[in-house]
Amino acid sequence: SYELTQPLSVSVALGQTARITCGGNNIGSKNVHWYQHKPGQAPVMVIYRDSKRPSGIPERFSGSNSGNTATLTISRAQAGDEAEYYCQVWDSSTHWVFGGGTKLTVL
Amino acid sequence: EVQLVQSGAEVKKPGESLKISCKGSGYSFTSYWIGWVRQMPGKGLEWMGIIYPGDSDTRYSPSFRGQVTISVDKSISTAYLQWSSLKASDTAMYYCARRVHSTSWFDYWGQGTLVTVSS
Repeated sequence: SYELTQPLSVSVALGQTARITCGGNNIGSKNVHWYQHKPGQAPVMVIYRDSKRPSGIPERFSGSNSGNTATLTISRAQAGDEAEYYCQVWDSSTHWVFGGGTKLTVL
Repeated sequence: EVQLVQSGAEVKKPGESLKISCKGSGYSFTSYWIGWVRQMPGKGLEWMGIIYPGDSDTRYSPSFRGQVTISVDKSISTAYLQWSSLKASDTAMYYCARRVHSTSWFDYWGQGTLVTVSS
């Protein structure tokens, strides 16, 4: 089965750049999607197909994917960006797979 | 506005049955898949299964096949997730989410239904 690995937590100073990684075997050959999940709220897709932003998502959110690592980058981090972030891919054997989630803390 | 509105929190005893719902609005309900995702306390997201309301085509994660049943009533734009015999380990938050046909992502999510199973 296909697995995705994320760091448990990432911290970033207010206004700086946060990078959250998502590791998987040859993940660069797959489409990676990212979701932001705040406590008590519905998850929100922030990046799809590696680097595309849905309507309404700030340009501060960007994504990349190559080799064995996909990365979600949040520029000029704000207090409101504090959340759990999940990567997700589709795999032919496991179907929809989520990473374990990364808690982003803005200091 | 696209909305997925889920039924309210449930408290059940082990062995009881349960059916939770997810009502879609603001779009053509039969043209988008609805998936179900579990989040156990303190854990990450797990895909459980998915259904296409247009023809009720349903797929299950191997981890959940036989443990739950996914269904739909397209006349009322509602998808369901049900258990015939709950276990304490079914205690979790359950989310429904919409998937655009032929894509691999979920673009809209419900607010979640908390299911607590305790004797």
